[in-house]
Amino acid sequence: QVQLEESGPGLVQPSETLSLTCTVSGYSITSHNYWGWIRQPPGKGLEWIGSVYHRGSADYNPSLKSRVTISIDTSKNQFSLKLSSVTAADTAVYYCARRTGAPEWFDPWGQGTLVTVSS
Amino acid sequence: SSELTQDPAVSVALGQTVRITCQGDSLRRYYANWYQQKPGQAPVLVIYDKTNRPSGIPDRISGSSSGNTASLTITGTQADDEADYYCNSRDSSGYHVVFGGGTRLTVL
Repeated sequence: QVQLEESGPGLVQPSETLSLTCTVSGYSITSHNYWGWIRQPPGKGLEWIGSVYHRGSADYNPSLKSRVTISIDTSKNQFSLKLSSVTAADTAVYYCARRTGAPEWFDPWGQGTLVTVSS
Repeated sequence: SSELTQDPAVSVALGQTVRITCQGDSLRRYYANWYQQKPGQAPVLVIYDKTNRPSGIPDRISGSSSGNTASLTITGTQADDEADYYCNSRDSSGYHVVFGGGTRLTVL
């Protein structure tokens, strides 16, 4: 049974880079084409951040594209998110998930990790 | 604002049927998927590819689509169905994923 778990700092300073890792267990990350990141600011809705193909290419939300990098490490069965120049508006619960189909759906999801941007 | 529009809140009496809608021009070309999210939990996929249910999702939850509107219907609504529901599909360009703003379902 595939499981995903996010990890990374819960507090990031403004203007710095947010870095998170998603570890996939019970399933080879190369057995599936796409993996994604979604975030949810406190009390608000879901926002797709981007997705990474198991061979390394990625696509991003146009509104975040200039600040986002998503990469994959097949040797560790992990994929990662980097979001640069963060502000308080980037405070959110960040989820990783397996992406399938077209139009894409996400299943399953990690439990999410809260990242707060504050000095 | 999202390219997929959902009513912010909907209420339904226990045991009754409720329809939650998602509107957007891209839905004329692409199917919608639906997620249920309970407080403090990650979203759970309940409908994919317009009408399909993942294993473990009860058949009283169904999906449909007409024109620019996708719908999630819950029949015989139970207290446990009280949650936020989100749709997702492609944006108007067809290149990117987008989520609706979410609908909070209250069971009376």
